[in-house]
Amino acid sequence: GAVVSQHPSRVICKSGTSVKIECRSLDFQATTMFWYRQFPKQSLMLMATSNEGSKATYEQGVEKDKFLINHASLTLSTLTVTSAHPEDSSFYICSATQGSNEKLFFGSGTQLSVL
Amino acid sequence: EDKVVQSPLSLVVHEGDTVTLNCSYEVTNFRSLLWYKQEKKAPTFLFMLTSSGIEKKSGRLSSILDKKELFSILNITATQTGDSAVYLCAVNDYKLSFGAGTTVTVRA
Repeated sequence: GAVVSQHPSRVICKSGTSVKIECRSLDFQATTMFWYRQFPKQSLMLMATSNEGSKATYEQGVEKDKFLINHASLTLSTLTVTSAHPEDSSFYICSATQGSNEKLFFGSGTQLSVL
Repeated sequence: EDKVVQSPLSLVVHEGDTVTLNCSYEVTNFRSLLWYKQEKKAPTFLFMLTSSGIEKKSGRLSSILDKKELFSILNITATQTGDSAVYLCAVNDYKLSFGAGTTVTVRA
């Protein structure tokens, strides 16, 4: 199956700093990438949909200025958590689609802990 | 508002047992239903269902969709401890909405 690489897998940062998470499709071109957030024992919640070369579409309740998403190429999307606070601590996971194929392939996720 | 409801939320079985997981949904523009297995962190793809009544199988796992009654089931036969995971159901109606998941624990 297709491979999606997400980095870093874990990050601990101080409150007020910004954190960038990368999501790469290694062996296919991902026209669309999705970013999810998952709290412990809860389901994946879609944060935003990212299309290459255009602005991301954010879900209701997700702050655009807080969670900056860039999809500069067909193989890379980044999520930057700006001025992170403890309540931003969560598991963030990206996924990507191969063109019109509806299967999603997930990255390995990033556990963010904000102190 | 689109809804995806999974049941049960959790269950514990012994090796060799059969489990049946349920997923019901209410969405506006149904395209497909997907099942994922989540161990540790990243979900892995199991099945994608688009048509009613056609069973998909992969080893000991199988799944079927009923678009009239708006639900899907995932069956795992002859369970093994390696089947212990959270099983997620997701419905694609131009965006993917996930259910809360069913935590399956298989005891030796």
